Amino acid sequence: KAGVTQTPRYLIKTRGQQVTLSCSPISGHRSVSWYQQTPGQGLQFLFEYFSETQRNKGNFPGRFSGRQFSNSRSEMNVSTLELGDSALYLCASSSSRDRINGYTFGSGTRLTVV
Amino acid sequence: QKEVEQDPGPLSVPEGAIVSLNCTYSNSAFQYFMWYRQYSRKGPELLMYTYSSGNKEDGRFTAQVDKSSKYISLFIRDSQPSDSATYLCAMTFKDMRFGAGTRLTVKP
Repeated sequence: KAGVTQTPRYLIKTRGQQVTLSCSPISGHRSVSWYQQTPGQGLQFLFEYFSETQRNKGNFPGRFSGRQFSNSRSEMNVSTLELGDSALYLCASSSSRDRINGYTFGSGTRLTVV
Repeated sequence: QKEVEQDPGPLSVPEGAIVSLNCTYSNSAFQYFMWYRQYSRKGPELLMYTYSSGNKEDGRFTAQVDKSSKYISLFIRDSQPSDSATYLCAMTFKDMRFGAGTRLTVKP
């Protein structure tokens, strides 16, 4: 059974550019969440999608956006990149609407903004 | 005050030791409690989850939840060098909130 797949694994972007990250959840999982992980702040919740609808959103500026497609694949976009956006971006999927079985995480996309 | 507090360590123990990892939380609305393990350059992987106060055991791992004290623990018995990783507590309400993670090193 394939796990959660995130692409690309590594990205280097320049300040002011925009970036799109992709996540393919485990087959059959309809809930997808995105997290930002940094050494100083740990795992910070970005947003969650369930059946193409954004169910919840964290405290990030509007430059951070996402969407989910009918096949449950998800993308997140960051516009006007800042140096502080450098982080590991993790996608997680769940088979349960209420997440009682926990999340399965991908290996993440490491974004470096220079 | 953060919703979920976890001592970041680092924690270093000899092989075979019993490890105790802990988190406290402030939001009594949290319903489900989990522990994740994260190796370097990898995403977190789910170790254990529970939704009630009490103990849950899985092999060398025991998760303990005390909702009245808003306190959760993970115990690792007979720790192995392969247990060296960062351990994150997590809990859910509207979304999943994580502790800062405790970096554990088990020395041979």
